[in-house]
Amino acid sequence: QTVVTQEPSFSVSPGGTVTLTCGLRSGSVSNNYYPSWFQQTPGQAPRTLIYNTNTRSSGVPDRFSGSILGGKAALTIEGAQADDESDYYCILYMGGGIWVFGGGTKLTVL
Amino acid sequence: EVQLVESGGGLVKPGGSLGLSCAVSGFTFSSYAMNWVRQAPGKGLEWVSSISSTSSNIYYADSVKGRFTISRDNAKNSLYLQMNSLRAEDTAVYYCLREIVSGARWGQGTLVTVSS
Repeated sequence: QTVVTQEPSFSVSPGGTVTLTCGLRSGSVSNNYYPSWFQQTPGQAPRTLIYNTNTRSSGVPDRFSGSILGGKAALTIEGAQADDESDYYCILYMGGGIWVFGGGTKLTVL
Repeated sequence: EVQLVESGGGLVKPGGSLGLSCAVSGFTFSSYAMNWVRQAPGKGLEWVSSISSTSSNIYYADSVKGRFTISRDNAKNSLYLQMNSLRAEDTAVYYCLREIVSGARWGQGTLVTVSS
């Protein structure tokens, strides 16, 4: 049973905008869940894109932004590029020292 | 430059033990909480364990509680994960992460394979 939900896959056209979401099976996500977003390409370690809902990590282009939308954490990518094609994972703080990842979203740019 | 370098992975039989290390540099290790995260082949990421900067608070995922032990040595800028009673489902790349709430920094990972 997946506690933290993400779209399994998403597709975006080059130059387009896409919003990936990170929700809870039960309840709404807020800033108190300290959502982070990570990008992973095949064979590589993940890298942090966004933390604490909307803070971009150093070196991350401002095409990537984080927010809370409709009770979910959201990652928006504007002006999608071919090398944005990756797996994207979110993580939420569930309290009591416990963190839980979402199942990940495979983003295709075509 | 922030660097996290995991080591200690390898092949181990079910029921066996293995210890992982993570050597860090480029930041004040003693000021940050640290985490271990793993990824089974072809699967998603799973948070495994975290330890506060002074080791006063330690947490585990239910899947490893009672079998894995996280620890750190601030004098040696090192994080550890002792894994006992290993199972096939523990097979994964194990990543060392600096504190998630301040923008996690990741190591390159070390592969642990549990197989007879």
